[in-house]
Amino acid sequence: EDQVTQSPEALRLQEGESSSLNCSYTVSGLRGLFWYRQDPGKGPEFLFTLYSAGEEKEKERLKATLTKKESFLHITAPKPEDSATYLCAGTGGTSYGKLTFGQGTILTVHP
Amino acid sequence: DSGVTQTPKHLITATGQRVTLRCSPRSGDLSVYWYQQSLDQGLQFLIQYYNGEERAKGNILERFSAQQFPDLHSELNLSSLELGDSALYFCASRFSGESTDTQYFGPGTRLTVL
Repeated sequence: EDQVTQSPEALRLQEGESSSLNCSYTVSGLRGLFWYRQDPGKGPEFLFTLYSAGEEKEKERLKATLTKKESFLHITAPKPEDSATYLCAGTGGTSYGKLTFGQGTILTVHP
Repeated sequence: DSGVTQTPKHLITATGQRVTLRCSPRSGDLSVYWYQQSLDQGLQFLIQYYNGEERAKGNILERFSAQQFPDLHSELNLSSLELGDSALYFCASRFSGESTDTQYFGPGTRLTVL
């Protein structure tokens, strides 16, 4: 059974204090690793898709990386508006694209 | 705005009742996925449709059913509702059935069962 585990469950940062979120996955025949941002009561907002180990993608203060077992979401000099829940999800070769999600990391950035 | 629309935004109903949630995918997207998000379970896959046909099922209860219509909108039907069915229900769409394509999520329907 596919599994995705995120850590930490919650992370509090001061504005400008860089850090990383972790996503460990066990997904048979990984076809894609996805990062989403979710604000309270809203739908997940797409951030990145990573397809193979060694791949990196960046968007503003966020950078996602992928290894054979983990993915990291690096946040550089975060701002209060980066506060949200960050979700990691994987899809495997025989899953017809269904996403297996981790429980998420709740990020709070204090001014 | 992802381009995926869901109605209604909120739904309050009683145990034993039946409700229908509606999803319109992004223009041109053929695949629709339904997910349930509860506090203790996180986001869980329910069911997928591709161009009108059921493609994959997750841990969807027998009391729940879905369909995708010729205009590609989809409906999720929940019957004999229980307190534990209270959750956020999201649909997501993408262009094809290929697993590497990105899924775009709608704003969700918050279901409260009293």
